[in-house]
Amino acid sequence: NAGVTQNPKFQVLKTGQSMTLQCAQDMNHNSMYWYRQDPGMGLRLIYYSASEGTTDKGEVPNGYNVSRLNKREFSLRLESAAPSQTSVYFCASSVEGEGRYGTGELFFGEGSRLTVL
Amino acid sequence: DAKTTQPTSMDCAEGRAANLPCNHSTISGNEYVYWYRQIHSQGPQYIIHGLKNNETNEMASLIITEDRKSSTLILPHATLRDTAVYYCIVRVAGVNAGNMLTFGGGTRLMVKP
Repeated sequence: NAGVTQNPKFQVLKTGQSMTLQCAQDMNHNSMYWYRQDPGMGLRLIYYSASEGTTDKGEVPNGYNVSRLNKREFSLRLESAAPSQTSVYFCASSVEGEGRYGTGELFFGEGSRLTVL
Repeated sequence: DAKTTQPTSMDCAEGRAANLPCNHSTISGNEYVYWYRQIHSQGPQYIIHGLKNNETNEMASLIITEDRKSSTLILPHATLRDTAVYYCIVRVAGVNAGNMLTFGGGTRLMVKP
């Protein structure tokens, strides 16, 4: 039981390049999320997916796209990377997503460290 | 969601109790208090949550004041591995967890030998 797995762990891009961050969870969770964390700051929600087939914008969605490929996988794509997108990206998952009460517990991956030059 | 206020940093001696305060004076009746922590460079980890009653689990205790305007996370016997940033978050129950979880600056707890 690996929990939440993110790939790649590290990536360096040049401005204008594109890339996709992969995230997979093996806990059969309904909801998945992408956050970014800038140095010395808290986490900010980029996009989330309440259930397979649905995605919604979070606090800072500009410059990103997401795909909920299936229940396990939720990818984050940078179409044209900018230096302002240099950050640590965290994927998370939770049981909730169907309007049911849950514990509110999010399970996070180890992060993907992205540098855009 | 209600905004929370936490001290920027705290120190604690190893083996002693660490008491981390959080103010959430504008909390609504249907909002829960959640605590997460983030050990250096790792993803955040859920610790505990509560509505109005005090809660305890294997990691920590959560004390919520009667008026619910503040709470305290207690690590009963802090170890060096508890050095981390601790986030206090309030959110409405029964909705998607992530879309309503706002991580502020948190409290940087340093456990010293």
